[in-house]
Amino acid sequence: GESVGLHLPTLSVQEGDNSIINCAYSNSASDYFIWYKQESGKGPQFIIDIRSNMDKRQGQRVTVLLNKTVKHLSLQIAATQPGDSAVYFCAENKVNNDMRFGAGTRLTVKP
Amino acid sequence: DAGVTQSPTHLIKTRGQQVTLRCSPKSGHDTVSWYQQALGQGPQFIFQYYEEEERQRGNFPDRFSGHQFPNYSSELNVNALLLGDSALYLCASSLRRDRGVSTDTQYFGPGTRLTVL
Repeated sequence: GESVGLHLPTLSVQEGDNSIINCAYSNSASDYFIWYKQESGKGPQFIIDIRSNMDKRQGQRVTVLLNKTVKHLSLQIAATQPGDSAVYFCAENKVNNDMRFGAGTRLTVKP
Repeated sequence: DAGVTQSPTHLIKTRGQQVTLRCSPKSGHDTVSWYQQALGQGPQFIFQYYEEEERQRGNFPDRFSGHQFPNYSSELNVNALLLGDSALYLCASSLRRDRGVSTDTQYFGPGTRLTVL
């Protein structure tokens, strides 16, 4: 069936390095894709989104890349900080449909 | 500007009981979605309310029902609780656009942790 999934369940990086979190999706009819950050005991926090008609979008220290050819989404975090440690979810949202989340990747930043 | 709020923060129930969870959307938002998040997993869509009606529903049984009030706040009700209903229940709000066809980005509340014993 159609799904949104992540390549790696965990990612450990050194403070100051760049982080790349990947996500694969199988439904090409999605309207747009969203990245959320969830810290322990909290609800998911919106980071950045990208429409299906875009390839790249940049925010503050974050960049999302969308490759529709291989149905791949990535989140790049520049100069990763200890406060970036959390579980990161990608989600796909289809017009007039529900939002589907992947299982999540746990990012750990080592000092 | 208040974000999404949920109550209660924690709840303990026993099997067979019924529970009601509450959500107030972010100011200016008119659409509320509910999600169930089991430990170590991503949120699973339960349903979405807009204009006081259920508009979309995920793969959840009829034991899960909801309501949206004129002030856009919402309730999630779960009847005949099972042990497997233990989870974090998340509410997300958004604003409908394009005359209700699509929704803008969803913003989540802190969740209600439900434990069924």
